[in-house]
Amino acid sequence: ELKVEQNPLFLSMQEGKNYTIYCNYSTTSDRLYWYRQDPGKSLESLFVLLSNGAVKQEGRLMASLDTKARLSTLHITAAVHDLSATYFCAAAGGTSYGKLTFGQGTILTVHP
Amino acid sequence: GAVVSQHPSWVICKSGTSVKIECRSLDFQATTMFWYRQFPKQSLMLMATSNEGSKATYEQGVEKDKFLINHASLTLSTLTVTSAHPEDSSFYICSATRLAGAVIQETQYFGPGTRLLVL
Repeated sequence: ELKVEQNPLFLSMQEGKNYTIYCNYSTTSDRLYWYRQDPGKSLESLFVLLSNGAVKQEGRLMASLDTKARLSTLHITAAVHDLSATYFCAAAGGTSYGKLTFGQGTILTVHP
Repeated sequence: GAVVSQHPSWVICKSGTSVKIECRSLDFQATTMFWYRQFPKQSLMLMATSNEGSKATYEQGVEKDKFLINHASLTLSTLTVTSAHPEDSSFYICSATRLAGAVIQETQYFGPGTRLLVL
């Protein structure tokens, strides 16, 4: 059974600081996703990582995937208030595209 | 970009009634759709996989007779919560896998969600 764990679960950051959210998964997965969720809203897709060593960047966010360590990271650079949200990673196992197992989510709050 | 819609966006109903939630892929065909449930301050839990033209596959612990899923076309899946009770109150989110020609695309498209409150 595929399990996904994120840490930290809560992250309070000052604007301008850097930090990393970690996502570990328990069994082989060749597709790793990162999503953002604002309060009361659905999910916004951030990144899809498909291969070992994959790195993707969008603005102040950068995601990477290490399939050997079963670890993905979401790095936040020079945080701004607009990044405050809940971030989820999710892994897909086997051949069922879209059947995702989600991490617990990381609640990020960026303070001035 | 691909868009997935859900209707209704929120619903309040009395205990014992049934509620139908629609999930539509607006500009692409979705051979497979997924239904998730999210309780307040929790993560998303997969409830079932909805396949066009065949029976849905339910995750362990999800009652198939309570959560009826119908995927009648390549653009529509419905989730019916039968005899709803207060513990069914939750945020229900669907997602769709896009088929582009013969290629299944990796990006999952999530609907905006349906908030259900059972009184």
